[in-house]
Amino acid sequence: LAKTTQPISMDSYEGQEVNITCSHNNIATNDYITWYQQFPSQGPRFIIQGYKTKVTNEVASLFIPADRKSSTLSLPRVSLSDTAVYYCLVGDRGGGRRALTFGSGTRLQVQP
Amino acid sequence: SAVISQKPSRDICQRGTSLTIQCQVDSQVTMMFWYRQQPGQSLTLIATANQGSEATYESGFVIDKFPISRPNLTFSTLTVSNMSPEDSSIYLCSVEASGLLSSYNEQFFGPGTRLTVL
Repeated sequence: LAKTTQPISMDSYEGQEVNITCSHNNIATNDYITWYQQFPSQGPRFIIQGYKTKVTNEVASLFIPADRKSSTLSLPRVSLSDTAVYYCLVGDRGGGRRALTFGSGTRLQVQP
Repeated sequence: SAVISQKPSRDICQRGTSLTIQCQVDSQVTMMFWYRQQPGQSLTLIATANQGSEATYESGFVIDKFPISRPNLTFSTLTVSNMSPEDSSIYLCSVEASGLLSSYNEQFFGPGTRLTVL
């Protein structure tokens, strides 16, 4: 499984755009990039998943460059409720081992 | 999506005792996973539980300490045996979601069981 590296923590203010970058230099051809969000006292929640280029949903955007060695989760106009830990995971979306390997995550603190 | 519940939500236990944590899913799923999350830390996989077969444990986790049952496609239990303060942690179950539950290979997590061992 490809190892991921992301900042330990980030601070932002309400209304700002937040970009969290994750590096995964050893990503394999079959690997997808997935981001999870975890609020205190809750289990992680799937946010977004992508393979290459850009993916956007109602919550976030995921930017993946052509070499796929990194990815950036973009949260537009954050609010206080976006304060959480964000995990970047890389793995095969298909068959084989399906358990998730969580890295250290990025603790995002949004200030008023 | 899948809705997952865990019981108990939290417990305080004495050293040397055992606690069984239940995980109930509202859909039939093949693979269920048990994770541990120590305070302020990331999640660590304990084991993978498939219905009808023995659970597969990760390095550092053994069946005698963390026996797991998977009697059907919607339920699993994790027992934390002979507890010590080092077992104080949040224990989470999750299920793989694909096909009808999700177009992605994502996992849905339960709310967790917060265990404190005195």
